[in-house]
Amino acid sequence: SQQGEEDPQALSIQEGENATMNCSYKTSINNLQWYRQNSGRGLVHLILIRSNEREKHSGRLRVTLDTSKKSSSLLITASRAADTASYFCATRGSTLGRLYFGRGTQLTVWP
Amino acid sequence: DVKVTQSSRYLVKRTGEKVFLECVQDMDHENMFWYRQDPGLGLRLIYFSYDVKMKEKGDIPEGYSVSREKKERFSLILESASTNQTSMYLCASSSPFRTGELFFGEGSRLTVL
Repeated sequence: SQQGEEDPQALSIQEGENATMNCSYKTSINNLQWYRQNSGRGLVHLILIRSNEREKHSGRLRVTLDTSKKSSSLLITASRAADTASYFCATRGSTLGRLYFGRGTQLTVWP
Repeated sequence: DVKVTQSSRYLVKRTGEKVFLECVQDMDHENMFWYRQDPGLGLRLIYFSYDVKMKEKGDIPEGYSVSREKKERFSLILESASTNQTSMYLCASSSPFRTGELFFGEGSRLTVL
C-alpha cells in the first residue's frame, strides 16, 4: 500500500506546548502534504513540502522531510485549543495528482 | 478562494435505495475525487476523474459508480444502498498542473438504515 501512516494516533497536550506528529510512507514521492480536519468537516490543506526540500515553515507550522527514511514530521509550536483537530499526511506520486492519505493523528489541546 | 460544494451534509436512506451525492467546484479544476472516511480507516479513494466523461477506479469502487458530464460537477451514485455504505463521503478537486493540493467539500454524512 502507498498509504502513509501517522504516529501517534492520538496526542493530548496543554495550550502553549508544542505538538509533533510523524508520518511514514513506503514509495517514492513527488511531494508530501499535511491536512487538518475539524470534527465533522472537510479537510483543509495546511502545508506542502517537495521531495527536494528538507524543511518548510508556515506561521506556527514546521514540516520536515527525510526521503532517505521516507518520513516527515509536522510541528505545531505554541499550541492553542483551536488547534484541536485531526491531522493527516498525504503523499503524491505521479498518478495524475492522486494523493495517498494516512489514518491521521487526533490532536487535543487542553486550555 | 476555491469552493467545493457538496449538495447534502446529512442524508438518511433505506437499504436498496438509489443514492446520489453531488459535488460542484468553481475553480475549473480538471481532477475531482470521491473519498469515504470511516473511523480508524482514514480516507479511502472510491473514484476519481481527470477530465469530463473520464473516470478511474480508486481503492474501493465496489458498490459505487460516478458521473462527470460537466467539468465542474462530479456525482457519486450508490445504485442500491447497503448498511455498510454508512459513512462520511468527501469530495475534492485539484489541478493536475500544480502541486496536487486538494480542495475538499464539507462532506456528506450518509446513514443507510
